[in-house]
Amino acid sequence: QSVLTQSPSVSGAPGQRVTISCTGSSSNIGAAYDVHWYQQLPGTAPKLLIYGNTNRPSGVPDRFSGSKSGTSASLAISGLQAEDEADYYCQSYDSSLSGYVFGTGTKVTVL
Amino acid sequence: QVQLVQSGAEVKKPGASVKVSCKASGYTFTDFYMHWVRPAPGQGLEWIGVINPRTGAINYAQKFQGRVTMTRDTSTSTVYMELSSLRSEDTAMYYCARAIPRQLWFDFWGQGTLVSVSS
Repeated sequence: QSVLTQSPSVSGAPGQRVTISCTGSSSNIGAAYDVHWYQQLPGTAPKLLIYGNTNRPSGVPDRFSGSKSGTSASLAISGLQAEDEADYYCQSYDSSLSGYVFGTGTKVTVL
Repeated sequence: QVQLVQSGAEVKKPGASVKVSCKASGYTFTDFYMHWVRPAPGQGLEWIGVINPRTGAINYAQKFQGRVTMTRDTSTSTVYMELSSLRSEDTAMYYCARAIPRQLWFDFWGQGTLVSVSS
């Protein structure tokens, strides 16, 4: 069973803003462990999108932004584009499990 | 440029073992940890474990302890993940993923290796 919970799907029209939530607990996100986000396009490996809650690796458009508060985190995609249609996963570290944990994944559909 | 090239798809019978490789290039192999991750149906992604290529030190997820073995060959910049006592639920795409030491995220991923377990 996943430790981090995400809504299964979110959709939006091109140009709109969508938000993906990631809910954890006091042993992971709430324990001050950072949240990281990955984008997985169909048929490809995951790709790092956001690290350390808010930081974008080189090459990631600034349309993608992350935030964290308490035991939750969010990924926002503004100016939604057709190429953003993918699965998105949050990830953190869990002190109770002494291991890395991922979210259940959110499928973004561009209408 | 950084490349993590994984071995090809495998088909195994229940109870067998599988060994997947991940060959690194484009960076200093021993400067980054290597993790293994797989999807878990309906549960997102699942962390399997990590190896420090410099020292060989390993840390496995509790769920896989006793069934997984991670090794490395510094002469070929390759890490290996062997999973034993395979069952149908182990059918998945297995990814290697690089991480900066002491950082808790994965900055680069291999292309994946499909392991199918079927009688």
